[in-house]
Amino acid sequence: ELKVEQNPLFLSMQEGKNYTIYCNYSTTSDRLYWYRQDPGKSLESLFVLLSNGAVKQEGRLMASLDTKARLSTLHITAAVHDLSATYFCAVDRGDDKIIFGKGTRLHILP
Amino acid sequence: GAGVSQSPSNKVTEKGKDVELRCDPISGHTALYWYRQSLGQGLEFLIYFQGNSAPDKSGLPSDRFSAERTGGSVSTLTIQRTQQEDSAVYLCASSLGLAGASGGEQFFGPGTRLTVL
Repeated sequence: ELKVEQNPLFLSMQEGKNYTIYCNYSTTSDRLYWYRQDPGKSLESLFVLLSNGAVKQEGRLMASLDTKARLSTLHITAAVHDLSATYFCAVDRGDDKIIFGKGTRLHILP
Repeated sequence: GAGVSQSPSNKVTEKGKDVELRCDPISGHTALYWYRQSLGQGLEFLIYFQGNSAPDKSGLPSDRFSAERTGGSVSTLTIQRTQQEDSAVYLCASSLGLAGASGGEQFFGPGTRLTVL
């Protein structure tokens, strides 16, 4: 059974700092997704990572995938308050279903 | 283009009543998913439709929950004899499936917030 673990589950950080959110998963997969959710809102797709070594960047966020280590990272560079949200990683099971992590609540202090 | 839409956005009902939640996926998306999200929690998979195949109902928590998808498009999630523990946000998502160019990326609707009194 595929399990997806994110850490940390809660992160409070200062503006301008860098930090990384980790997503580990338990069985082989080469498709991983990152989503953002603002309070009271739905999920917004951030990144789709489809192969080992994939790296995607959008603004201050960069995501990478290491399928051999079963690990994805979401790196935040020089955080700004607008990035405060909950970030979910989700891993494809191979049958068109994806399993979500519990989410990382990111709070960036101005 | 139009995204995934859901209705109603909010639903308050009394314990024991039946409710129907509707989802309109993105046109052309063959895969449709229902999830449940309790306050401050992650997403719980409920059911998955792909084209004309039989739906994957493995995530439905009890036989009070059912869903259908008519004409490969609109889907309705029905909860019978609602209980207080059914209170949550119900999210619908659609995708082109693994065969699509977006690699199975799911696009989410705004959700229906269900409150059972």
